Amino acid sequence: EPEVTQTPSHQVTQMGQEVILRCVPISNHLYFYWYRQILGQKVEFLVSFYNNEISEKSEIFDDQFSVERPDGSNFTLKIRSTKLEDSAMYFCARGGGGGELFFGEGSRLTVL
Amino acid sequence: GENVEQHPSTLSVQEGDSAVIKCTYSDSASNYFPWYKQELGKGPQLIIDIRSNVGEKKDQRIAVTLNKTAKHFSLHITETQPEDSAVYFCAASIRSGNQFYFGTGTSLTVIP
Repeated sequence: EPEVTQTPSHQVTQMGQEVILRCVPISNHLYFYWYRQILGQKVEFLVSFYNNEISEKSEIFDDQFSVERPDGSNFTLKIRSTKLEDSAMYFCARGGGGGELFFGEGSRLTVL
Repeated sequence: GENVEQHPSTLSVQEGDSAVIKCTYSDSASNYFPWYKQELGKGPQLIIDIRSNVGEKKDQRIAVTLNKTAKHFSLHITETQPEDSAVYFCAASIRSGNQFYFGTGTSLTVIP
């Protein structure tokens, strides 16, 4: 059973469109993360979110990306104006008490 | 920042044989080293982890070793089975809440 539930499982969008990916934790946790994985490549860190604030972000996480927890439960990743190179699997993960990382099943984004 | 290297990129073994995957890291401050198994179309699943105060950890057919001096850690799978076939990722992290740095993955195929 996944630690977090991600929607949509697959989204196809046109270049320049906005995309919102959603993550719903199974239970209350403080640490959340977004990672992405371009097809056939390693998993890359995007951003970490602790206590409703960004705690760390990578160089990939530029002004086109944003995260928020609008209702205190759902955790969203927004890409404002998608580019072809944004096509990837996007994984939400929650942090464990011992520093572990537990991933969801992922959202596949295809930008045409 | 941290750099994690992983070898080999592909590995084929006969069912029942052992498989070994090796990773090196660059930042001596890293102290948590998880291993993930990723099946096709799914999110990475944590299978075993080791912390810097431990040299070896075993869980049934899976074991991980850590050499802090040499900055390398390895995953050992004994008595491999076809269901072990997947992509395996190693990772390194400095502390809870910080980003994980992933290796490039090893595609393991267990031949029946």
